[in-house]
Formats: sequence, C-alpha cells, structure tokens
Amino acid sequence: NAGVTQTPKFRVLKTGQSMTLLCAQDMNHEYMYWYRQDPGMGLRLIHYSVGEGTTAKGEVPDGYNVSRLKKQNFLLGLESAAPSQTSVYFCASSYSGSKNIQYFGAGTRLSVL
Amino acid sequence: QQQVKQSPQSLIVQKGGISIINCAYENTAFDYFPWYQQFPGKGPALLIAIRPDVSEKKEGRFTISFNKSAKQFSLHIMDSQPGDSATYFCAASKGAQKLVFGQGTRLTINP
Repeated sequence: NAGVTQTPKFRVLKTGQSMTLLCAQDMNHEYMYWYRQDPGMGLRLIHYSVGEGTTAKGEVPDGYNVSRLKKQNFLLGLESAAPSQTSVYFCASSYSGSKNIQYFGAGTRLSVL
Repeated sequence: QQQVKQSPQSLIVQKGGISIINCAYENTAFDYFPWYQQFPGKGPALLIAIRPDVSEKKEGRFTISFNKSAKQFSLHIMDSQPGDSATYFCAASKGAQKLVFGQGTRLTINP
C-alpha cells in the first residue's frame, strides 16, 4: 500500500522556469493538501481540495496553481519560479471525517536558482 | 498570522529524560489538537491527538496535556530515547477543516 506518493523527489529550477509537482494517493481520500516547509516556519498550507474538481487557497497561495482532475491526484504548478519558492513541498490527504488525520508524502525538495 | 505558536524551536534532552514541547493557540473554535512527528527526509506522521473535552491523553511514553482555559497544550515524552530524535509539530483544527501547524521543534536525544 503506497499511501501518498510525490514526484519528483528533488528538482533544481532556474528563475522563471515552470514545473509541476505530482501527488498521488491510493487511500480514496476526499481531501488533499499542498504545504511548504521552511526552517522556523512550520508547515504552511498553499492550496487544498475537498473533492475532485474543487480547489481552494490556503495561507500562502501566491505564485502557485493547483488542479484536482482525478480524485487520487493533486497537482501543484509553479508558472514562473522565484528563489523565494525554494522549499520542501509536502502533499497530504485525509478522509472527510471529523478526525482530520492527514497522511503525508515524503516531500519534494525544490531549489530555485 | 500565526494561530498556533510552538516552543522551543530546538530541544536537547539526555536519554531517559522527559522532553516537553509547548503550544498555544488563539482560536477558541479549534476542537482537534494533533501532534505530528517527522524524521529527516520523511513526511510528518500523526503521533497522538486530543480533543478539548479531556485534559490529558496518554499513549505509551507520549502524553498530551491540555489546558482549555489557558489555550495551551503540550507534548511530554517520558523516558526519551535516541530514536525519538525528530522534529515535532503541534497543530489545531476546527472539525474536518484544514490544520494549522506550529513552527516545529527539533528534538535531539543524547545517548
């Protein structure tokens, strides 16, 4: 049982380049999330989705776009990467029940030069 | 706007000692308070969680203490072991809504 899988694991971009991070979950979860983790800042929510075809902004959405075309996949896009987007990105998923137990992927380490 | 404040940022404890990490929240509507544990190179994983109708929850060596009037909760790790060395995040949410995470505490247990 794979759980939450993120690809790629590492990526280096030049300023202005674009890329898409892929998150896939095999637990039939309704909710999916994208976070960024920076030293001393904890986990900050970028965008999230409460179901297929729906997305919503989190705490730090600027510079990112997302899509949830299939229930099991949640894509995070950077249209024009900036050095401030250098971070570790985590995807998570959860059931729609009240406990809000989130299951995280292993992360994508992104450097923007 | 940091709704959940966590301290300390880093903590060093001797093997066998008690590790204590504290969190304070602002939103009185929060009704679910989990702690996540993250090892290097891995994603966070749920460790233990509590709801505000109880003041303490214990699972093995891990205990959450909850003070509703002070809007604070803490994680206690008894008999701390080197394998407990990790980053710990507290979080809070209202129902099934999105979690708000604290800043994280890097815990090191010296052998």
